Amino acid sequence: QITLKESGPTLVKPTQTLTLTCTFSGFSLSTSNVAVDWIRQPPGKALEWLALIYWDDDERYSPSLKSRLTITKDTSKNQVVLTMTNMDPVDTATYYCAHKGGRGFGDDYWGQGTLVTVSS
Amino acid sequence: DIQLTQSPSFLSASVGDRVTITCRASQGISSYLAWYQQKPGKAPKLLIYSASTLQSGVPSRFSGSGSGTEFTLTISSLQPEDFATYYCQQLDSYPITFGGGTRVEIK
Repeated sequence: QITLKESGPTLVKPTQTLTLTCTFSGFSLSTSNVAVDWIRQPPGKALEWLALIYWDDDERYSPSLKSRLTITKDTSKNQVVLTMTNMDPVDTATYYCAHKGGRGFGDDYWGQGTLVTVSS
Repeated sequence: DIQLTQSPSFLSASVGDRVTITCRASQGISSYLAWYQQKPGKAPKLLIYSASTLQSGVPSRFSGSGSGTEFTLTISSLQPEDFATYYCQQLDSYPITFGGGTRVEIK
């Protein structure tokens, strides 16, 4: 079965760089049309899509955050890494990674999420 | 960016009620719309994709309809486990966007 799990720091200081890792099993990011998304949710607020990477290395980013985000994949390790630079308290949120079965499809499997707090 | 507007933002209903949530897109998105259910402290769960296709394992009381700019999620008979927040998501073009959510609470 497909599982995903996010890992990374729970607390970062303002201006620091956040690095989150999504480790997954049950699928391969070398399979056609598969992608992994990153989505976040500030406490009590709505979901916000951040970025995704497809099996063919196609990367997409939220325009409002594009300058701060980088998404990469390591197919051999079954991992996707998201880095976000210049963290600010408004970036405090639960960060999720999710599996997408193809372009235009919804996210059918999600990680449990990891709460990242930005505070000095 | 394509904006998704959900209505209502809050809904109070009783067990057994028929519930309808609307999602309007700021421009046409064909049928590239998904619906999610989220319970407190949990990750979202995919209910519907391609506007009307029920995700495997999701009860048949959930249904989706619409195309273009207006979409609906209907719960035919609300069950206790359905009290949650529901989000729509457009996948027609980047950036992918979500609606603001509809919280369904017990009357």
